[in-house]
Amino acid sequence: DTGVSQDPRHKITKRGQNVTFRCDPISEHNRLYWYRQTLGQGPEFLTYFQNEAQLEKSRLLSDRFSAERPKGSFSTLEIQHTEQGDSAMYLCASSPGTWTEAFFGQGTRLTVV
Amino acid sequence: AQTVTQSQPEMSVQEAETVTLSCTYDTSESDYYLFWYKQPPSRQMILVIRQEAYKQQNATENRFSVNFQKAAKSFSLKISDSQLGDAAMYFCAYRSAPGGAGSYQLTFGKGTKLSVIP
Repeated sequence: DTGVSQDPRHKITKRGQNVTFRCDPISEHNRLYWYRQTLGQGPEFLTYFQNEAQLEKSRLLSDRFSAERPKGSFSTLEIQHTEQGDSAMYLCASSPGTWTEAFFGQGTRLTVV
Repeated sequence: AQTVTQSQPEMSVQEAETVTLSCTYDTSESDYYLFWYKQPPSRQMILVIRQEAYKQQNATENRFSVNFQKAAKSFSLKISDSQLGDAAMYFCAYRSAPGGAGSYQLTFGKGTKLSVIP
């Protein structure tokens, strides 16, 4: 088990472009979470999946953001029409149960220029 | 909504010494969980220690221990015998107990950057 894997590690995009990030959770972890971390801040919750069902979404997740977890395995987070304010580290985490420890990936650092 | 405050943006400690990182939180709930996470540079966040609010005994994990003061809503982390590998960002986090509002999510503080001086 290699832990939570995120791809890419870094992404530079022009404003207005669409970007997609991928997260592969630890195998058999049915809970998956996305967080966003901006410079000098702690991570902020974006959304939560239990298997393939998206059960909770933060108000931070505007209409330009969409997340999926087909078949309850890997997850993707897409940002459409990126803005400079979207520049941040996007963290994925997974857990085997809701009330257990969440294991984090190394994150995808997005820079919008 | 719950909030978590870490009032020390940066701390430093001499190797082998002890350091305490502060965390306060605000909640109206009586049952919840508190965590300290460590985020080394360019590496993933890992759990250092957790505390269930219903437990009076302070959690301990090897060189890491907490001072949990429920009435004061304070949750400090003590690192004993500091090592160079302890240098990292440390985040305090809150999660509601099962059934609580937003109980799936962690609410983090802004973090404390710990430097360890050889």
